[in-house]
Amino acid sequence: GAGVSQSPRYKVAKRGQDVALRCDPISGHVSLFWYQQALGQGPEFLTYFQNEAQLDKSGLPSDRFFAERPEGSVSTLKIQRTQQEDSAVYLCASSPIIAGPSYNEQFFGPGTRLTVL
Amino acid sequence: AQSVAQPEDQVNVAEGNPLTVKCTYSVSGNPYLFWYVQYPNRGLQFLLKYITGDNLVKGSYGFEAEFNKSQTSFHLKKPSALVSDSALYFCAVSLSGNTGKLIFGQGTTLQVKP
Repeated sequence: GAGVSQSPRYKVAKRGQDVALRCDPISGHVSLFWYQQALGQGPEFLTYFQNEAQLDKSGLPSDRFFAERPEGSVSTLKIQRTQQEDSAVYLCASSPIIAGPSYNEQFFGPGTRLTVL
Repeated sequence: AQSVAQPEDQVNVAEGNPLTVKCTYSVSGNPYLFWYVQYPNRGLQFLLKYITGDNLVKGSYGFEAEFNKSQTSFHLKKPSALVSDSALYFCAVSLSGNTGKLIFGQGTTLQVKP
């Protein structure tokens, strides 16, 4: 079956532009995560959705970052007024169940590489 | 604060030799521990996890890892390395009862030479 897909795969933006990054999780997956991976670093958590509810947005670095998952499937990460420090790979991951005693692994998409000039 | 450390930026090993990629963690509470592998231009792929039970867990592609609570470590191992194992490896931790968000180490590049 299809895995997690993300689009676009590459995005170049001029500083100050708004960008929208899309994530299509595996069908039926309840949990959806966004991570930011800077060059040479491990991914860092941004936000978490359980179905359409955004339960944790503690990792969003500023109010320029906004994420949504209105119908509990596709998610969009929006970055307003992009800055050079926003340049990174943005990873989306989904998981079939809610975290708990039977916690399952997350399935990652290929990422969107954002370059802000 | 929770954190994960991978003390080696790169590990070099000859094909056929055993390999170890180190990981230590610092959390309050019971950790769930994971290893992921990242190939160029591809997403992170799950290798194995420790949730509870046997401290030695076996995963994909012949990899295994040992959970050591006293040393707060979760080192990744493989008895005989393959050139195709060359990739970037990430250790990650999550807390039981948490939303499931992962805290990753900075990654270790494994280079297996023929």
